[in-house]
Amino acid sequence: AQSVAQPEDQVNVAEGNPLTVKCTYSVSGNPYLFWYVQYPNRGLQFLLKYITGDNLVKGSYGFEAEFNKSQTSFHLKKPSALVSDSALYFCAVRPILLISSGSARQLTFGSGTQLTVLP
Amino acid sequence: GAVVSQHPSWVICKSGTSVKIECRSLDFQATTMFWYRQFPKQSLMLMATSNEGSKATYEQGVEKDKFLINHASLTLSTLTVTSAHPEDSSFYICSASSVSYEQYFGPGTRLTVT
Repeated sequence: AQSVAQPEDQVNVAEGNPLTVKCTYSVSGNPYLFWYVQYPNRGLQFLLKYITGDNLVKGSYGFEAEFNKSQTSFHLKKPSALVSDSALYFCAVRPILLISSGSARQLTFGSGTQLTVLP
Repeated sequence: GAVVSQHPSWVICKSGTSVKIECRSLDFQATTMFWYRQFPKQSLMLMATSNEGSKATYEQGVEKDKFLINHASLTLSTLTVTSAHPEDSSFYICSASSVSYEQYFGPGTRLTVT
């Protein structure tokens, strides 16, 4: 079974500073990895994904994430944080399977990290 | 593209009544839809997975008679909370997936049972 850990419940960063939101995963085989953002009372918005290829993935709103297979990590980063980036961030994983049936496309989510960017 | 809608976005109902939440994929055919429940400032808890035209697969601990899921077409899935009680109050989110690996999430439905 797969699992995702987001070790920090809360991350605070000053506007303009770089931000990192940590994620580590456990999965049998190779993973699909995702980052989503959630604003209050809203659904999840897709930020970026890693499927294969380049370990550095660039996504929406200036976010990027680096896949590190040896450390089983997929940390989310942004060079310069904005106040509007303040939200709840979720890392998610699913295994790459040869047969992608409905249930096999289930995502396992981390517990979420609340990012607060201070003006 | 890949837009998923939910209706209603917010519903208040009295204890003992039933509430239906709709999840629609607007511009793609969703062979699989997922229903999640989320408590304040917590992660998403998968409730069930539904494939079009077949019965939903419920996660352990989720009452299938209480949370009825129907996936009658490739663009519509419904979640009915039967005989709702205050402890069912939560944020319910659906997601839809086609033959690719991605899930597209709806905006969520806030259910309050009084």
